[in-house]
Amino acid sequence: QVQLVESGGGVVQPGKSLRLSCAASGFTFNSFGMHWVRQAPGKGLEWVALISYDGSKKNYVDSVKGRFTISRDSSKNNLFLQMDSLRPEDTAVYYCAKERATELGDWGQGTLVIVSS
Amino acid sequence: QSALTQPRSVSGSPGQSVTISCTGTSSDVGGYNFVSWYQQHPDEAPKLIIYDVSKRPSGVPDRFSGSKSGNTASLTISGLQAGDEADYHCCSYAGSYTYVFGTGTEVTVL
Repeated sequence: QVQLVESGGGVVQPGKSLRLSCAASGFTFNSFGMHWVRQAPGKGLEWVALISYDGSKKNYVDSVKGRFTISRDSSKNNLFLQMDSLRPEDTAVYYCAKERATELGDWGQGTLVIVSS
Repeated sequence: QSALTQPRSVSGSPGQSVTISCTGTSSDVGGYNFVSWYQQHPDEAPKLIIYDVSKRPSGVPDRFSGSKSGNTASLTISGLQAGDEADYHCCSYAGSYTYVFGTGTEVTVL
């Protein structure tokens, strides 16, 4: 079955960087687009970024454009989110999710990022 | 990229029906039939329960149904059960390879 396991979260100071990883298994990784979605404490879900199955297309929510970079390594079935110039408002649980068609069919358990001095 | 608008909370007694609205614009909900809904129990990851406005993945009970009219999508839970108590999030494709989620709704079973 599909398994998505996020890692790399932690506490980081404002302005610093963090790289999240998502290890994928149970499906043909290079056949599906992948998303990052975040959820601030006590808040709703926010779509963050999407990368196409082959990595050729990427897009981001406006609030992270120029600061976050989504990438994938299909040889190792890994999805990444490089987060630079972090802000306190980036504090959230970050989920990776597998695209089904136009919906997010499978989700990881999330990794918590806290941006605080 | 403004969040879709959902009521903060809805409630109902066991066996009753509740409906959650999800209001966007012609650039997202109204422009595409790509609305999905996710159920999230406390401290758990979201789970897909409706896609393409009204379709259910296998294993999701037919008590869950979706619809759309104009810029507003809706999720109806019929025959409310204790296990349905959770947060529900709508999501819409918004063009140019972007997505937008709703503000989230807490469903309480009285």
